[in-house]
Amino acid sequence: GAVVSQHPSWVICKSGTSVKIECRSLDFQATTMFWYRQFPKQSLMLMATSNEGSKATYEQGVEKDKFLINHASLTLSTLTVTSAHPEDSSFYICSASSGTGANVLTFGAGSRLTVL
Amino acid sequence: DAKTTQPPSMDCAEGRAANLPCNHSTISGNEYVYWYRQIHSQGPQYIIHGLKNNETNEMASLIITEDRKSSTLILPHATLRDTAVYYCIVRSGMNRDDKIIFGKGTRLHILP
Repeated sequence: GAVVSQHPSWVICKSGTSVKIECRSLDFQATTMFWYRQFPKQSLMLMATSNEGSKATYEQGVEKDKFLINHASLTLSTLTVTSAHPEDSSFYICSASSGTGANVLTFGAGSRLTVL
Repeated sequence: DAKTTQPPSMDCAEGRAANLPCNHSTISGNEYVYWYRQIHSQGPQYIIHGLKNNETNEMASLIITEDRKSSTLILPHATLRDTAVYYCIVRSGMNRDDKIIFGKGTRLHILP
């Protein structure tokens, strides 16, 4: 079945630094990927829709200059948290549809970011 | 806003069937019902989906009402490993760009 891989699975960084999270579709091409953020005991919150070869579409309230998304190929999207602060500490999850099986969305395992 | 509503939590005894309800009264004709679950600190895992007919796979069964305004996910013999948050989602079955807005899901506790 379709597999979405995220890296790193966890990262700790100092306040003010930038962190890049990668999301790869391993066995299918994804023109669209979705990035979510999840705080403890809360549901997934959609941050942005990543489109291959074009600018990402951000949800209301999500700072596009803070959360840089690049979707340079059909199998890779990256999320960069710039100038990270402790309030950016969260669980970041990406997902994509393989286009088969009635549009089932496959999720990555998630990346836990801790900003000190 | 999410297009579905679910009870916030449910308990089920180990070995018994877990029946998780979901209301999706505004579902449109081309939208499927998808169920995912999220075990603590992991990404959501796909369980099952359906359009209007009942569906069954190795994990679960999905019962969709005739008017498609609600559905029930059935885990036939719940185990402790089924403890998770279960999300019911409606989404286009054709458009890969159609985004998913998650509701709060149902936190299922399997009791030993």
